[in-house]
Amino acid sequence: QKEVEQDPGPLSVPEGAIVSLNCTYSNSAFQYFMWYRQYSRKGPELLMYTYSSGNKEDGRFTAQVDKSSKYISLFIRDSQPSDSATYLCAMRADKIIFGKGTRLHILP
Amino acid sequence: KAGVTQTPRYLIKTRGQQVTLSCSPISGHRSVSWYQQTPGQGLQFLFEYFSETQRNKGNFPGRFSGRQFSNSRSEMNVSTLELGDSALYLCASSSGQITSFSEAFFGQGTRLTVV
Repeated sequence: QKEVEQDPGPLSVPEGAIVSLNCTYSNSAFQYFMWYRQYSRKGPELLMYTYSSGNKEDGRFTAQVDKSSKYISLFIRDSQPSDSATYLCAMRADKIIFGKGTRLHILP
Repeated sequence: KAGVTQTPRYLIKTRGQQVTLSCSPISGHRSVSWYQQTPGQGLQFLFEYFSETQRNKGNFPGRFSGRQFSNSRSEMNVSTLELGDSALYLCASSSGQITSFSEAFFGQGTRLTVV
């Protein structure tokens, strides 16, 4: 079992829809949970991070962590075409482990 | 504030050759991590250097090595290149804090093609 599992997609949704992206993990030692966004031909950039369980909101983005289920989510409200990118979940214990990324397409 | 700089941006090498990639972190950052990104495997951790010492290592063969200099710049070397080494190599710099969160900032990567 891989340490971090993420559905690669692609996921296509109409503009304005709510997007839900998810990852599962197996390592109980993970303490920091992150979401990165990567545009084509660019390096990943940090969107949000959460420490331990709970929710965190930043504008149109909400991150959720459920450590009991080893499950994390990123919700994007009022999705825009500019949100089209690959979204990578990442988790940190002594080092950062990434999911494979989900390709997201927002259709105008 | 200048971002993370990786050079070169693109490389084409022949099987069996070796290659050296360079990463200049954000000023003041002491940690540099290297990742390999491929469509099939995603972003895989290679190693992390902090203050010139390797602090963590991923599950890659010994052909992959790195080092960090006193100015925090880092180099990654791959010897005896194989076709499967074709990938985007990303480096990320951070302050290197372990007891609290420290954001990792990525460079744009070096696209290595092995033919």
